[in-house]
Amino acid sequence: EPEVTQTPSHQVTQMGQEVILRCVPISNHLYFYWYRQILGQKVEFLVSFYNNEISEKSEIFDDQFSVERPDGSNFTLKIRSTKLEDSAMYFCAIRLQGRQDGYTFGSGTRLTVV
Amino acid sequence: DQQVKQNSPSLSVQEGRISILNCDYTNSMFDYFLWYKKYPAEGPTFLISISSIKDKNEDGRFTVFLNKSAKHLSLHIVPSQPGDSAVYFCAAAAFNQAGTALIFGKGTTLSVSS
Repeated sequence: EPEVTQTPSHQVTQMGQEVILRCVPISNHLYFYWYRQILGQKVEFLVSFYNNEISEKSEIFDDQFSVERPDGSNFTLKIRSTKLEDSAMYFCAIRLQGRQDGYTFGSGTRLTVV
Repeated sequence: DQQVKQNSPSLSVQEGRISILNCDYTNSMFDYFLWYKKYPAEGPTFLISISSIKDKNEDGRFTVFLNKSAKHLSLHIVPSQPGDSAVYFCAAAAFNQAGTALIFGKGTTLSVSS
């Protein structure tokens, strides 16, 4: 079973600052995803990344957000000019090619914007 | 617009009994359904899935039933164990649309008492 490591586990940032959340898959996968869960709410899809480019994104994923794989292994989510309402758990997920059920989630990064 | 709905926020069951978690969806393009289990401060963990071409899938104590005409699926856990206490999320995807994002319901908190 593939593993996904997310760093940091918890980040506190001031409103207006930029944050970068990192995801490191153990195996090489083609499909990467970011989801978020605001406290008490459902897990929401943000963006999917395939073949080094965004393949899908939700309406939540506006110009404030960006994703990249800077060194071919790490998968990052950058949030510019953070707002209080960005406070949430952010989950990275990966999917094995050819496996429709093969989504593996990381343990998440808790982002707190103060 | 909630495409995936879990109308019961919580369920309490005695150890050894059956737990039935329900999920409804509105998007007829969904062709793959998954159930995830989530503990606090952890990412969702895959439990079981079902393709829209099937109406039942079983894996040990877990069985998922799909009723396409009613756009309804359910997860049965038999027998329920205290370790099953967690939040259960129903998720759906539309692979036939080349979309691979999972759309989650709001979750049902299952409490199994001994």
